[in-house]
Amino acid sequence: SQQGEEDPQALSIQEGENATMNCSYKTSINNLQWYRQNSGRGLVHLILIRSNEREKHSGRLRVTLDTSKKSSSLLITASRAADTASYFCATGYGNKLVFGAGTILRVKS
Amino acid sequence: DVKVTQSSRYLVKRTGEKVFLECVQDMDHENMFWYRQDPGLGLRLIYFSYDVKMKEKGDIPEGYSVSREKKERFSLILESASTNQTSMYLCASSRWAVKEAAKNIQYFGAGTRLSVL
Repeated sequence: SQQGEEDPQALSIQEGENATMNCSYKTSINNLQWYRQNSGRGLVHLILIRSNEREKHSGRLRVTLDTSKKSSSLLITASRAADTASYFCATGYGNKLVFGAGTILRVKS
Repeated sequence: DVKVTQSSRYLVKRTGEKVFLECVQDMDHENMFWYRQDPGLGLRLIYFSYDVKMKEKGDIPEGYSVSREKKERFSLILESASTNQTSMYLCASSRWAVKEAAKNIQYFGAGTRLSVL
């Protein structure tokens, strides 16, 4: 039962630009997390936002959460070629996570 | 740093073979997970284990079984591999999360790309 859906499916930008990815989900959550996956590798946790938080920052990452709209966004500022990867949102309830299909980000140098 | 190690990066098996995928974590995590990842479908949970010898079916358990005899090790078993089980398999671990949501951050292995011919 896949819950999170990312938008867009793919995004191509120039180095230095900002990248915004969106995630929508269907049911109540404890938290929402974003993960990154480099090609052919495992996922790496980026940031977690609790259901009672609205915004969170970590370095060049900014995450927002709107529980009334059941949506979240991930903003990567001043993107670099090394940010090229797939990004997944995951909604957390209890001990499990439900992952979306991901957004493929390509940053051109 | 948490380390989750999957025994193989690439595997090629024949239809009907019994396949074992092994995963070991070194952070004393209670929870371990097996996912499969297919293009356009994201990660789908196959099985979840929250303690030694304890397991719970995920979204797509058909054709798979698991074994957790020791806390650090979680094995995925394909009893009779089929071509539709060709996929990327990802293992993950996390702490048991009761009240603190931050504890359900998952740590992933590098993945095993399985091809069933």
